[in-house]
Amino acid sequence: NAGVTQTPKFRVLKTGQSMTLLCAQDMNHEYMYWYRQDPGMGLRLIHYSVGEGTTAKGEVPDGYNVSRLKKQNFLLGLESAAPSQTSVYFCASTLLTGGFRKGFTGELFFGEGSRLTVL
Amino acid sequence: TQLLEQSPQFLSIQEGENLTVYCNSSSVFSSLQWYRQEPGEGPVLLVTVVTGGEVKKLKRLTFQFGDARKDSSLHITAAQPGDTGLYLCAGALAFGYGNKLVFGAGTILRVKS
Repeated sequence: NAGVTQTPKFRVLKTGQSMTLLCAQDMNHEYMYWYRQDPGMGLRLIHYSVGEGTTAKGEVPDGYNVSRLKKQNFLLGLESAAPSQTSVYFCASTLLTGGFRKGFTGELFFGEGSRLTVL
Repeated sequence: TQLLEQSPQFLSIQEGENLTVYCNSSSVFSSLQWYRQEPGEGPVLLVTVVTGGEVKKLKRLTFQFGDARKDSSLHITAAQPGDTGLYLCAGALAFGYGNKLVFGAGTILRVKS
């Protein structure tokens, strides 16, 4: 029962460095999301994907890129890390049971998070 | 500004006390979810409410969705130390190509024995 797996779990970067966070899910879910969690701000959506080969911007996409080449994987990239990107990043996936209903997501399954520090 | 406002931000109570957490918005949501998150882990779904006025119970937890589908509350009866955690409400919105959840900032609950 792996569910949603994120790697790495911890990373320290210097300003300007690049890195990629990997999210893998084994539940055959269509939708995948990347959120960042900061104290007092809840979870904010960075990018999301509604299926293999498709991605779209969320609420705070600047400084991030994503790719979904395979249905089970959703990658989040930081091309040039900045201290403002210090955060805990969560990947989530969901299966829309009962077909598509506008405005309904179903249960989101989250990974354990990846703590990123940019110095 | 948060689309979903949660209150209180922090709650510290004794075991056995009752408490209510509120989640408010000016927006109408097609559904609203409550998640619980423990340190070092991702949020886990507690409940989804879909119909205005809906009330759902999960053991000692009671969830209510406002009639206008703009607000929700979580009431815990006789809180226990195991209830300690971060409680997040999240509203579902149609967004772009699909749907997304908008999260509140969360309520940190600590139950002391």
